[in-house]
Amino acid sequence: GESVGLHLPTLSVQEGDNSIINCAYSNSASDYFIWYKQESGKGPQFIIDIRSNMDKRQGQRVTVLLNKTVKHLSLQIAATQPGDSAVYFCAENNNYGQNFVFGPGTRLSVLP
Amino acid sequence: DAGVIQSPRHEVTEMGQEVTLRCKPISGHNSLFWYRQTMMRGLELLIYFNNNVPIDDSGMPEDRFSAKMPNASFSTLKIQPSEPRDSAVYFCASSFKGNEKLFFGSGTQLSVL
Repeated sequence: GESVGLHLPTLSVQEGDNSIINCAYSNSASDYFIWYKQESGKGPQFIIDIRSNMDKRQGQRVTVLLNKTVKHLSLQIAATQPGDSAVYFCAENNNYGQNFVFGPGTRLSVLP
Repeated sequence: DAGVIQSPRHEVTEMGQEVTLRCKPISGHNSLFWYRQTMMRGLELLIYFNNNVPIDDSGMPEDRFSAKMPNASFSTLKIQPSEPRDSAVYFCASSFKGNEKLFFGSGTQLSVL
């Protein structure tokens, strides 16, 4: 799979604002994508997923957008709350493999 | 459901010692994955099993690492002998099918002195 980098981007947002976390993927064969949230001292927790036959999927306060043309994935969090502070990972997979490749993660800090 | 259960939560050992990490996947899940997480390299897949059979162990760093899954409800990851560079958080994850969403355990924080 593709390698992940060392740099962990950080996003700071005010409580109540919307957050947008971005992820670029490199494998054009990837057809299944997941966003995970990892809080300190815990394992990654599933947030939302999307398959390549869709370009948008909504959950509770979260929306995932997929742009296959530019191989870009984003996670939007509405009305960000202090409990949303965590590291967010995107993961990609293809229907033929069973190896989810994880991005480097983005640290979200919610300011009071 | 109790989720994926890993033990121990923390392990501190000396270089050269054997370390065994344990995992109980979610009941009914057919695939089990071992990941390692470090600040430098992020989340790396070490090995995964389908129906208790190892499918891809290309991520296992060296022969010092080995993993087993003797039955559908238990897996171990063993490091022998351990080295300081093995210090990391080791996660076990399971899924209903290999290419479905993964459910992670809480991880084992390993420190090799």
